[in-house]
Amino acid sequence: DAGITQSPRHKVTETGTPVTLRCHQTENHRYMYWYRQDPGHGLRLIHYSYGVKDTDKGEVSDGYSVSRSKTEDFLLTLESATSSQTSVYFCAISEGGEGGDYNEQFFGPGTRLTVL
Amino acid sequence: GQNIDQPTEMTATEGAIVQINCTYQTSGFNGLFWYQQHAGEAPTFLSYNVLDGLEEKGRFSSFLSRSKGYSYLLLKELQMKDSASYLCAGEPNSGYSTLTFGKGTMLLVSP
Repeated sequence: DAGITQSPRHKVTETGTPVTLRCHQTENHRYMYWYRQDPGHGLRLIHYSYGVKDTDKGEVSDGYSVSRSKTEDFLLTLESATSSQTSVYFCAISEGGEGGDYNEQFFGPGTRLTVL
Repeated sequence: GQNIDQPTEMTATEGAIVQINCTYQTSGFNGLFWYQQHAGEAPTFLSYNVLDGLEEKGRFSSFLSRSKGYSYLLLKELQMKDSASYLCAGEPNSGYSTLTFGKGTMLLVSP
């Protein structure tokens, strides 16, 4: 299994508070992703990173920011949490499909966030 | 956006065969992935197809027709542990770095 961890695994917070989720990998993979998963919507991409300090928006980026200062860490920040951001958040990593290989993504265990 | 469609739920009996279909816009995607996700757990990779045809891996097989925008996952000799959500994901033509996921098909295997 790919070495990928997420912290915290569970968090309950109040509307309006800032929240930061951390993803850490030991695989030295170039690409890192943040998804949210909600019933009826499946997995939706929030932001992704293709290298240190290189990030791009996904499908549902509003209300979220990310940072990647080291290859192994990718942080997701909710500047002011809202109830609509209650969800399960998954981090994923991949080598990026370069050199003809396919872009298999490996997922972390997830973080369950509840915003009251 | 680029849609990927799959049935919401399916049921099947232990020992049977089940086929989970996935359709997508042909102009949008290069390869197709299938992932399995048990309740409360992370998705795990099952298969990848980029060429037309059938790829077999033990009890699981995956098929792709790029011209028809159609893929399926075939599960044989179903076991109770196969009860899970199965996610179809497309690799966009615009770049190979991101995936677009369908909403997933919840498969319930009964005795």
